[in-house]
Amino acid sequence: GAVVSQHPSWVICKSGTSVKIECRSLDFQATTMFWYRQFPKQSLMLMATSNEGSKATYEQGVEKDKFLINHASLTLSTLTVTSAHPEDSSFYICSAANPLAGGQGEQFFGPGTRLTVL
Amino acid sequence: GENVEQHPSTLSVQEGDSAVIKCTYSDSASNYFPWYKQELGKRPQLIIDIRSNVGEKKDQRIAVTLNKTAKHFSLHITETQPEDSAVYFCAASIRGGGYNKLIFGAGTRLAVHP
Repeated sequence: GAVVSQHPSWVICKSGTSVKIECRSLDFQATTMFWYRQFPKQSLMLMATSNEGSKATYEQGVEKDKFLINHASLTLSTLTVTSAHPEDSSFYICSAANPLAGGQGEQFFGPGTRLTVL
Repeated sequence: GENVEQHPSTLSVQEGDSAVIKCTYSDSASNYFPWYKQELGKRPQLIIDIRSNVGEKKDQRIAVTLNKTAKHFSLHITETQPEDSAVYFCAASIRGGGYNKLIFGAGTRLAVHP
């Protein structure tokens, strides 16, 4: 099956700093990638959708200036949490899809990044 | 907006019993319904999915049923084993902007006791 990697797997940072998380599709071209946030014992909440070569589409309530998304190639999307605060501590998971492959919504998930902001 | 409701939130069964998790969705245009299993600290793993042109799909001990009229779909696990213990999420596809995104249910924590 399709493989998606994420880096780093965990990160601890000080309040006010920025953190970049990378999501890579290793064996297929991902025209669309999704970024989710998952708080403990909660579901996956979609933050934004990024399409290669265009601006990301953010879900309601997600600050686009705080969560910067770049999808510069068909295999890489990055999420930058700017000026992180303790309330941003969460499990961030990306997924990748290739609608052009004829699927109806299959998403392949990365292993997640646990962010802890002190 | 679109939403997916999932029940129950927790489910405890004895090994060998069956487990059923139910979801309802709101968008009648949804046409793809995956189920994910997530262990603590791990990524969601797709265990089975069903498309809107099919009413039932089975893969060994796991089956999914879909009722498009009622906008319900269910996950059935038979002969449960302790290793089935995890959190299970249902999802429904939502079309928009030229791509399909998934809306997830709140999750069901399944505990299988030996």
